[in-house]
Amino acid sequence: GQQVMQIPQYQHVQEGEDFTTYCNSSTTLSNIQWYKQRPGGHPVFLIQLVKSGEVKKQKRLTFQFGEAKKNSSLHITATQTTDVGTYFCAGLEANAGGTSYGKLTFGQGTILTVHP
Amino acid sequence: KAGVTQTPRYLIKTRGQQVTLSCSPISGHRSVSWYQQTPGQGLQFLFEYFSETQRNKGNFPGRFSGRQFSNSRSEMNVSTLELGDSALYLCASSPGQPNQPQHFGDGTRLSIL
Repeated sequence: GQQVMQIPQYQHVQEGEDFTTYCNSSTTLSNIQWYKQRPGGHPVFLIQLVKSGEVKKQKRLTFQFGEAKKNSSLHITATQTTDVGTYFCAGLEANAGGTSYGKLTFGQGTILTVHP
Repeated sequence: KAGVTQTPRYLIKTRGQQVTLSCSPISGHRSVSWYQQTPGQGLQFLFEYFSETQRNKGNFPGRFSGRQFSNSRSEMNVSTLELGDSALYLCASSPGQPNQPQHFGDGTRLSIL
C-alpha cells in the first residue's frame, strides 16, 4: 500500500534558525496536505498543494510539491517559539479515476523544538 | 461555526470490553474520517464515511467498525479491546469533495488496562 515517509523525525533549532522537513511518497499523489499539531492538541490544516512543481508561501512558511508529485517539503524561515509542534504531511493517492477521496496517508511527522 | 466535536474526551476500559466513540462533524460536512494516533505508529487511517456509506477503509482488523447517521454524525466501535488499542482516536470532517482539507476534533484518549 501507499507509504509516506517524512524526515527528520526530530529537529531542534535555536530561535531564528531555519527549519525544513521533507516528505516522500511511494506512489504518485493527487495532492499533499500539511498539518501542524501543537503538544496536546489536534492536527490543524496548514495548506494543500495540488499542481506539479507548485510552491506556496504563508508568511515565513514555504511549501513545495515536487514535479513528479511524489515529494514535498516545508521550510520555515527564522523560526519562532510559536512554531513548536509536530508537522505532518499527508497525501491523497491518485486513483485510476484521477479523483481523490478521504483516505489520507500521513507521514510520521517531524517534531520541532525551538530554543529561545 | 462549531468545530468537530468528539465524545468522550477520555475513556478507560479493560481488555475484552468494547467501546463506542462519537463524532459530530462541522455543520454541512458530509465526510467523516477516523484516525488512530500512537507515539510509535503515528496517525493511521481507519475508515471514512460519506453519506452513511463507508467510502474508504484502512488496514485495521474487523474489531474496528464504524457507521454514519443521516445527520452525518459518526460512531466508531472497537470490540474485544486489546492493550495495543490504547491511543488517541481522532475524527476529521470535510465537505466530502475531492482535494479538500480535513478538520480534526480534539480526539478521544482511550486507555486499556
